[in-house]
Amino acid sequence: NAGVTQTPKFQVLKTGQSMTLQCAQDMNHEYMSWYRQDPGMGLRLIHYSVGAGITDQGEVPNGYNVSRSTTEDFPLRLLSAAPSQTSVYFCASREGGRYNSPLHFGNGTRLTVT
Amino acid sequence: QKEVEQDPGPLSVPEGAIVSLNCTYSNSAFQYFMWYRQYSRKGPELLMYTYSSGNKEDGRFTAQVDKSSKYISLFIRDSQPSDSATYLCAMSAWNNAGNMLTFGGGTRLMVKP
Repeated sequence: NAGVTQTPKFQVLKTGQSMTLQCAQDMNHEYMSWYRQDPGMGLRLIHYSVGAGITDQGEVPNGYNVSRSTTEDFPLRLLSAAPSQTSVYFCASREGGRYNSPLHFGNGTRLTVT
Repeated sequence: QKEVEQDPGPLSVPEGAIVSLNCTYSNSAFQYFMWYRQYSRKGPELLMYTYSSGNKEDGRFTAQVDKSSKYISLFIRDSQPSDSATYLCAMSAWNNAGNMLTFGGGTRLMVKP
């Protein structure tokens, strides 16, 4: 059971480039989300999805797009990378229907924008 | 001011010490309180979960919530070097769409043998 898998583990982009961070989960979780983690700022929610075809914005959505065409996959797209998007990105999932179900995190994608 | 404040540390203690980690918050709507542990270069993993005020114990770990003071704590007894990690508090409000969590900035703990 792989849990939440994120690819790539590391990425370096130049300003203005676009890319997609991949996230897949094999636990049949309805809820998936993307967080970014910056020093001293904790984890901040970018976008989330409560099921296939449904997405919504979190605390810091600007510059990012998401889609959820299947239950398993929740890719995060950076449209035009900026140095302010240098961060560690975590994908997380949890069961739907149970309000207190825990979040399961992937091991992150470390992104540097130069 | 952030909604959830957490001392970043690092907190360095000798093996066997009792560790106290704390968070304060400003949003009185928060009802669910969690502690996550994050090892270096890994994703956070849920350690403890509590609802509303009171204490919850799980082995060497005790989570405490004081809603009147808007203050939560995690106590680690008989700390071990394997407890060295960053500890993140997280909380959410009742009926929060998508159960969005608000995280503290994390406290880095080092337990020395």
